[in-house]
Amino acid sequence: AQKITQTQPGMFVQEKEAVTLDCTYDTSDPSYGLFWYKQPSSGEMIFLIYQGSYDQQNATEGRYSLNFQKARKSANLVISASQLGDSAMYFCAMREGWSNYQLIWGAGTKLIIKP
Amino acid sequence: GAGVSQSPSNKVTEKGKDVELRCDPISGHTALYWYRQSLGQGLEFLIYFQGNSAPDKSGLPSDRFSAERTGGSVSTLTIQRTQQEDSAVYLCASSSGSSTSTDTQYFGPGTRLTVL
Repeated sequence: AQKITQTQPGMFVQEKEAVTLDCTYDTSDPSYGLFWYKQPSSGEMIFLIYQGSYDQQNATEGRYSLNFQKARKSANLVISASQLGDSAMYFCAMREGWSNYQLIWGAGTKLIIKP
Repeated sequence: GAGVSQSPSNKVTEKGKDVELRCDPISGHTALYWYRQSLGQGLEFLIYFQGNSAPDKSGLPSDRFSAERTGGSVSTLTIQRTQQEDSAVYLCASSSGSSTSTDTQYFGPGTRLTVL
């Protein structure tokens, strides 16, 4: 079974609109961390935002926020006021357990911002 | 401070040749990771180094792949007798190596390997 599922292979969004990228996860470990990365066409993987399983608040970093719904096991990335430079692949990843260094990666969502 | 650097950025080689890819992690980071990303695909874990511990090589796809990390810093990924299926982007990442939930991997720009 997939541990990280990103159901949207591709999305088109109008510039300045908000966009939500879906990520659902599957783990029985009560301690886990969720990460979102952006990969522009240049290829570099850029860390965006992190959410820990015990965090009480949804994580925010500038225009990025994470809609963390623990009971539903979802950690959707929300980008407010999208910009052309947001066009990229977006990956969701999970670490199960604090001592486990491995990240489990989703397949990614390709986001294209239209002018 | 400086991020993770990788060299070369692009490498074109002929089938059967050996190649070496280099990664210089963020200063002070004890953990280093190598991944492979084929065109349009997600990340495939290759190998993990943490300090002076024995590396986790469980992701290496064959014995043609090897990696070393000298002095706990720079790492070299070597692919011997390259095959066309080795063509991919090889990404290196480093992290502080702390056993906490927030230990975040920071990536280099990658090396695009093309085997003709």
